[in-house]
Amino acid sequence: QKEVEQNSGPLSVPEGAIASLNCTYSDRGSQSFFWYRQYSGKSPELIMSIYSNGDKEDGRFTAQLNKASQYVSLLIRDSQPSDSATYLCAVTGGTGRRALTFGSGTRLQVQP
Amino acid sequence: ETGVTQTPRHLVMGMTNKKSLKCEQHLGHNAMYWYKQSAKKPLELMFVYNFKEQTENNSVPSRFSPECPNSSHLFLHLHTLQPEDSALYLCASSLLGTSGGAGSDTQYFGPGTRLTVL
Repeated sequence: QKEVEQNSGPLSVPEGAIASLNCTYSDRGSQSFFWYRQYSGKSPELIMSIYSNGDKEDGRFTAQLNKASQYVSLLIRDSQPSDSATYLCAVTGGTGRRALTFGSGTRLQVQP
Repeated sequence: ETGVTQTPRHLVMGMTNKKSLKCEQHLGHNAMYWYKQSAKKPLELMFVYNFKEQTENNSVPSRFSPECPNSSHLFLHLHTLQPEDSALYLCASSLLGTSGGAGSDTQYFGPGTRLTVL
């Protein structure tokens, strides 16, 4: 079982729609959860971090965390063509391991 | 700009060459990381340095040799690489609190070095 799992996509949504990206993780003790956006040929860019159960909103982005289900998601409202990228879910270990474990990413395509 | 710089941005080298990748962070962070990203594969952690001390080596071949002279600089020395080592090499940094609790793990990435081994 992969430590961090994401659907590779592509996830295609029309402009203005809500894009929903999902991620599951295997380490039940994980404490910190991140979403990064990566454009082709570029480095990952931090979008959101979330540490406690529930929702966290920042502009058009909402991260949702459910530790009991070991599930974290990212919602993008009013999707724009510029949101087209690969979205990486990253998790830190629960045993004090600070390095991030990344999922393979979900490619999002926003159709104009 | 994230405050993490990497040089060179692109590097082409032969299998017998020796080269070094450089990373510098201007964020006052105390931990630095090397990641490898190959085509169609997840980001792979290579090395972790915490307060200049290597705390993690993720089974990386010895042809990759990291160096961290201080908390702001990180190098990756390369020698006798193989074509399969061609990838995007990413440096990241973070500020680790003494408690190590949630919130202390946010990592910021540099732009990466695109390495091609011929």
